[in-house]
Amino acid sequence: GAGVSQSPSNKVTEKGKDVELRCDPISGHTALYWYRQRLGQGLEFLIYFQGNSAPDKSGLPSDRFSAERTGESVSTLTIQRTQQEDSAVYLCASSKDRVINEQYFGPGTRLTVT
Amino acid sequence: KNEVEQSPQNLTAQEGEFITINCSYSVGISALHWLQQHPGGGIVSLFMLSSGKKKHGRLIATINIQEKHSSLHITASHPRDSAVYICAVDIAGNQFYFGTGTSLTVIP
Repeated sequence: GAGVSQSPSNKVTEKGKDVELRCDPISGHTALYWYRQRLGQGLEFLIYFQGNSAPDKSGLPSDRFSAERTGESVSTLTIQRTQQEDSAVYLCASSKDRVINEQYFGPGTRLTVT
Repeated sequence: KNEVEQSPQNLTAQEGEFITINCSYSVGISALHWLQQHPGGGIVSLFMLSSGKKKHGRLIATINIQEKHSSLHITASHPRDSAVYICAVDIAGNQFYFGTGTSLTVIP
């Protein structure tokens, strides 16, 4: 079956512009996660959805970041007024259930802010 | 201080060797994940465990909750095992902490 997909695969944007990143999880997966990996650095957790709800948004780096999920399916991560430090690979993952099931990762969106 | 510490940071092994990667954490967790990141960047989940031991093929993962420690073992290592291995802990609630990864190179 289809895995987790993300779009776009690459995005180059000018500083100050808004960007929207999309994640399509595996069908039936109730849990969805967003992570960030800056060049040469480790993974950072951004936000987790159970169904359409994100119980805690404190992992988002700043108020320029927002995320939503609809229909217990697609999720979008929006970055407003992008800054150069936002340049990173943004990864999405999904799992059937957070507690007992492994995560399946998408290929990521490489964001470059010039 | 990082919540998750991995060792070693880098590891080079000869094909066929037995490999161990260690992960220690300092917080209470609901689960621990071992991830593999290939040179092209793709990430695959190897194990998710909250107690005991799991085995998939040549890979074995163990966790000791009391000692806050987990190990990933690779038996009969192969060049295709070359990758970065990442330990991650799930804090009940809404946070994950990641180790900095162990870069493994297996030489034929």
